[in-house]
Amino acid sequence: AQKVTQAQTEISVVEKEDVTLDCVYETRDTTYYLFWYKQPPSGELVFLIRRNSFDEQNEISGRYSWNFQKSTSSFNFTITASQVVDSAVYFCALSGGFKTIFGAGTRLFVKA
Amino acid sequence: EAGVVQSPRYKIIEKKQPVAFWCNPISGHNTLYWYLQNLGQGPELLIRYENEEAVDDSQLPKDRFSAERLKGVDSTLKIQPAELGDSAVYLCASSWSTAGTGELFFGEGSRLTVL
Repeated sequence: AQKVTQAQTEISVVEKEDVTLDCVYETRDTTYYLFWYKQPPSGELVFLIRRNSFDEQNEISGRYSWNFQKSTSSFNFTITASQVVDSAVYFCALSGGFKTIFGAGTRLFVKA
Repeated sequence: EAGVVQSPRYKIIEKKQPVAFWCNPISGHNTLYWYLQNLGQGPELLIRYENEEAVDDSQLPKDRFSAERLKGVDSTLKIQPAELGDSAVYLCASSWSTAGTGELFFGEGSRLTVL
C-alpha cells in the first residue's frame, strides 16, 4: 500500500526565516513520482515540483529547494527566507500505478 | 490557456437533496480526476477518467455518488441524496499524463455545505 506522511500539522515562522517541510512516503513500487503542491487561502492547489524515483538530485528553484532521499523515503521541501506570501497549506503527493495520493498537508504561517 | 473550471464554487443544500458539480478540464488533458477534500485533510481520490472511461472508481460511494464524462471532455459529479457528512470541498483535476506520472492541474473546487 502507498502512504504519504506529513508529520508537521502546522508551522509558524517569522518572515525571512528558513523553514523545512517534511514528507515521508511508503511504496512498494520501484518506479514512482513524488510531488509538492501549494494550496493558498484561495483554495486552488498549485503544482510546485515533480520528482521520479530514479532522480535523487536535489533541486533549487529560487527560494525553494527539495531534498529527495530514497534511503530514508523522504522528500523534504525547504523555503529559504520565507515571505508572508508563502503562507499556505503544502501537500506532498505520491504517484505509482496511476493513482496519486496526498499527505494530510502542513499549514505554514509566515508572520511579518 | 484556460485552467480547470469548476462550478458552482459554493453550494448549500439541505440533507437528502441532490446536488451536482461540473468540471471542464484543460483542453487536451485526457485524464480527469474528482477528489474530495475534508477540512484539514489532503485530497482523497473519488474517481479517475481516461477519456470517457472511468478507470478507477473504487473510492466512489456508489450508493449515492455518480459521475459521468460524456464525450471525454467535461464531467459531472452527482450526489443523491446528500448527507451531512458529505460537506466538503470537491476538487476536479486534469492531467496530460495517462499513467499518473504527470502533475495534476486543479480547479478552485466546489464547497458543499449540507444542513
